[in-house]
Amino acid sequence: DAKTTQPTSMDCAEGRAANLPCNHSTISGNEYVYWYRQIHSQGPQYIIHGLKNNETNEMASLIITEDRKSSTLILPHATLRDTAVYYCIVRAAGGYQKVTFGTGTKLQVIP
Amino acid sequence: GAGVSQSPSNKVTEKGKDVELRCDPISGHTALYWYRQSLGQGLEFLIYFQGNSAPDKSGLPSDRFSAERTGGSVSTLTIQRTQQEDSAVYLCASSEGGQGHQPQHFGDGTRLSIL
Repeated sequence: DAKTTQPTSMDCAEGRAANLPCNHSTISGNEYVYWYRQIHSQGPQYIIHGLKNNETNEMASLIITEDRKSSTLILPHATLRDTAVYYCIVRAAGGYQKVTFGTGTKLQVIP
Repeated sequence: GAGVSQSPSNKVTEKGKDVELRCDPISGHTALYWYRQSLGQGLEFLIYFQGNSAPDKSGLPSDRFSAERTGGSVSTLTIQRTQQEDSAVYLCASSEGGQGHQPQHFGDGTRLSIL
């Protein structure tokens, strides 16, 4: 699986959009970008994933650059409950997949 | 809909005792995974089920660890003769299938503490 690079930490004002970047410059053509988050004392929560098109669901939007070497997770209106560690991972389709997280981005939403 | 359910949420036991951890996956999900996460650490893969079969048990740390899945649904992870180093959060995840790009959905885990 391709390696990902994320900033260690970010702050965001409550009610503003949180934009979390991820670099995956070695991504292969059949690899998807997945985002998870982990709130303290809870299990990892799946947020969104995509291959090359931008994706949106009830939680967030995922913007993938045209060359697919980077992506941005957007939480449109951050709340205090969005404070968590956010993980970007890249995995190929097909076959079962073990999830492994890097260090992620610690997002602190500030009142 | 209902997510992945794990029980108990917390378990404290004495060294040497056996423990059983339960996972109820999302209905219809054929793939099931067990992981563990030590304090401040990443995910450690333990075992993968597709249906009732376990094609990959490579992450089980020792023969004190075993897991089974019945009816293609509920799974139980058993740790025999527990040791203090077994203390961790044990996480279960399920996905729609073992193929494709479906994401894994996690439960909130069982926090196991060995005294």
